[in-house]
Amino acid sequence: QKEVEQDPGPLSVPEGAIVSLNCTYSNSAFQYFMWYRQYSRKGPELLMYTYSSGNKEDGRFTAQVDKSSKYISLFIRDSQPSDSATYLCAMSAGTGNQFYFGTGTSLTVIP
Amino acid sequence: GAVVSQHPSWVICKSGTSVKIECRSLDFQATTMFWYRQFPKQSLMLMATSNEGSKATYEQGVEKDKFLINHASLTLSTLTVTSAHPEDSSFYICSARDPSGGDNTYNEQFFGPGTRLTVL
Repeated sequence: QKEVEQDPGPLSVPEGAIVSLNCTYSNSAFQYFMWYRQYSRKGPELLMYTYSSGNKEDGRFTAQVDKSSKYISLFIRDSQPSDSATYLCAMSAGTGNQFYFGTGTSLTVIP
Repeated sequence: GAVVSQHPSWVICKSGTSVKIECRSLDFQATTMFWYRQFPKQSLMLMATSNEGSKATYEQGVEKDKFLINHASLTLSTLTVTSAHPEDSSFYICSARDPSGGDNTYNEQFFGPGTRLTVL
């Protein structure tokens, strides 16, 4: 079983839609949960990180963590064509610990 | 945010040759850098963790004699793919941890733009 599972998609939505991206994991030691955005042939860039359970909001992006279910989500409101990218979730047990990445979900927002 | 650069951004080489990829932290000192490999439509797979001034720690299944890592300074780590073969063709991405960023227990990793290696 992989440490982190993520549906690779592809996911295609119309502009303005709400997008929901999800990951599940198996390691209960994970404490830090990150979402990265990766454009084609580029390195990942950090969107948000969350510690432990709860919600975190940043502009149009909301990250949710449910440690009891080992399930994390990223919501994108009012999606824009510029949001079209691959979204990777990543998790870590803490400083000095390895990051474990999901496979990434490919998102296309259609104008 | 902190900036990490990689050079070259892409390289094509003949089978059997060696290729060196550089990873630099431009505006911070990185005691720890990471090297990842990403195949098309797959996730980032950690190859090794590089600590300045010491030997790199390789993940299981990664040949340390084939993928030579050197972290000679706080701003530079290099990955050398020795005797490259077509199956080594991949997207290689480095990241650097900024010890001054984040809270007390989380240090953010900043990723380079990646290097696409094609071995003919």
